[in-house]
Amino acid sequence: ETVLTQSPGTLSLSPGERATLSCRANQNFSSNSLAWYQQKPGQAPRLLIFGASTRIPGIPDRFSGSGSGTDFTLTISRLEPEDFAVYYCQQYGSARTFGQGTKVEIK
Amino acid sequence: EVQLVESGGGLVKPGGSLTLSCVASGFTFSHYNMNWVRQAPGKGLEWVSCISGSSAYIYYADSVKGRFTISRDNAKNSLYLQMNNLSAEDTALYYCTRDSIMAYWGQGSLVTVSS
Repeated sequence: ETVLTQSPGTLSLSPGERATLSCRANQNFSSNSLAWYQQKPGQAPRLLIFGASTRIPGIPDRFSGSGSGTDFTLTISRLEPEDFAVYYCQQYGSARTFGQGTKVEIK
Repeated sequence: EVQLVESGGGLVKPGGSLTLSCVASGFTFSHYNMNWVRQAPGKGLEWVSCISGSSAYIYYADSVKGRFTISRDNAKNSLYLQMNNLSAEDTALYYCTRDSIMAYWGQGSLVTVSS
């Protein structure tokens, strides 16, 4: 089973700052089959990025994904108030698994 | 418009069984693989199971293997999750999602396992 480990668990930042979220896999999986989701309290997750770096239409370009192999990163270039939420990575190259999440909170 | 509507959740005693359903609309259901994803109260997302469009391929998380069974009825645009031998650790909001890249989620169906 592919295990995804996200770090840090919590990121305390101010609006306007840059957020860098990490997702590391315990083994390679196919074709950079990695997605990122945002979840706000009481809501279902929202897909942001797939294929490690392809943004879904309508997602602001301050969100970017990068990485390959076993190391992936979600970067939010300048945090807006609506970006404070929990972020999950998910692999779909070998069955499916989610990381445990990174909470981006207001400092 | 793509819609996924889950039902069948509720309160069940440890060791009991429950079947969740998800009715899909707004797309050709048989063309997509489908998933169940759960979220325990205050916890993260956990993928549970997926099934291919033709039901030829089925996968389970280790935590539910041997206890849960995923199935689908393409004629009814419906996805199911039969859950047996439930324990408190299975208490969660269960989401139905479409495809490997989960752009569409239902609103969830709450399963509570408690005596």
